[in-house]
Amino acid sequence: EADIYQTPRYLVIGTGKKITLECSQTMGHDKMYWYQQDPGMELHLIHYSYGVNSTEKGDLSSESTVSRIRTEHFPLTLESARPSHTSQYLCASSLREKGKLFFGSGTQLSVL
Amino acid sequence: QKEVEQDPGPLSVPEGAIVSLNCTYSNSAFQYFMWYRQYSRKGPELLMYTYSSGNKEDGRFTAQVDKSSKYISLFIRDSQPSDSATYLCAMLPSSGGYNKLIFGAGTRLAVHP
Repeated sequence: EADIYQTPRYLVIGTGKKITLECSQTMGHDKMYWYQQDPGMELHLIHYSYGVNSTEKGDLSSESTVSRIRTEHFPLTLESARPSHTSQYLCASSLREKGKLFFGSGTQLSVL
Repeated sequence: QKEVEQDPGPLSVPEGAIVSLNCTYSNSAFQYFMWYRQYSRKGPELLMYTYSSGNKEDGRFTAQVDKSSKYISLFIRDSQPSDSATYLCAMLPSSGGYNKLIFGAGTRLAVHP
């Protein structure tokens, strides 16, 4: 079983609050990703990192930001949450083989 | 038009049935083809991984890639209730970065006893 952890699993929060979604992996993977998933829709990449101090935006525009100060840790931050941010956020990591991703269990975010 | 098309289902089958799940794609540059399984309230997990064309078998699961038709399939033999999940196809071109992975929207499968 993959060792990638996301907290919290569920988060209900009011508009305007700052939130940080945590993601950690213990596999030593250099590549990490954040995907957004809405019911019945494709996973969309919002951020990725190929290593420490390397972060890039994905194809789906997002108001969130990420950081990669340590290999194992890839947190996602929303400075001011809005109802349009309500979604499931999935963190993943990979090593060398393209497309072989290990996913966390996700954070279901609801912004009221 | 989406690069990857996948019938959302739901697909409901009796236990023991053979299940066929499919995806079509438009980008002929795709070379890596994956099937992920996602249980409710969980993240996807990699089920099958193939490079270029051909078949790959792993237990009750067989993945097929037909690049001439731009069509991939996942077959599940002797389906079990524990196979009930959403199945996502995913694909990637050989060139370009790891961030070029494209997912289908997923097919929901329900296997009833």
